[in-house]
Amino acid sequence: NAGVMQNPRHLVRRRGQEARLRCSPMKGHSHVYWYRQLPEEGLKFMVYLQKENIIDESGMPKERFSAEFPKEGPSILRIQQVVRGDSAAYFCASSPPSLATNEKLFFGSGTQLSVL
Amino acid sequence: QKEVEQDPGPLSVPEGAIVSLNCTYSNSAFQYFMWYRQYSRKGPELLMYTYSSGNKEDGRFTAQVDKSSKYISLFIRDSQPSDSATYLCAMINAGGTSYGKLTFGQGTILTVHP
Repeated sequence: NAGVMQNPRHLVRRRGQEARLRCSPMKGHSHVYWYRQLPEEGLKFMVYLQKENIIDESGMPKERFSAEFPKEGPSILRIQQVVRGDSAAYFCASSPPSLATNEKLFFGSGTQLSVL
Repeated sequence: QKEVEQDPGPLSVPEGAIVSLNCTYSNSAFQYFMWYRQYSRKGPELLMYTYSSGNKEDGRFTAQVDKSSKYISLFIRDSQPSDSATYLCAMINAGGTSYGKLTFGQGTILTVHP
């Protein structure tokens, strides 16, 4: 089953450390999206990437957060100098390149980030 | 005011009941409407995808959109314990710079007990 693969499933970091979350899209999908799910809140859009391009990062915090989707390899969401408020479930989604279907997102199982 | 409002529940029903889940929204630019199901510690799974007002049926699931009232619903017939999950409504503008930028409701926790 070539679904959206995220790793690690769980990540524990101490305040001030860096967190790196990885996402491999479904086979044939070239669009990747990152969402964050905070406790008691719904999923919030963070960033939309295509290979080697950031298309929309309007949901990303201005500092400490960055994302990339290189030509080869998985998409990476990087959080520098983590704080307790970064603790959340981070979900990656992918979609086909077709204009008519890229609203149909397929989600991975998420990475649960816990900041101590 | 949130763009999408969804009662978080929890909602508990007996097996075989008809379940009604709802969302209201304020942004009239939303054109595509989706329902996702999320099991505990899993990612959201797309259940229903609709465009424009009207009904769409898929097995035991029916999605309903009323754009004039800015109101969407998901009905589950003959509910099963395996339907126990969190149900998330989601919506998006049409095209432009909105690709993949879904706006989600908070999710409704549903439990179907045998």
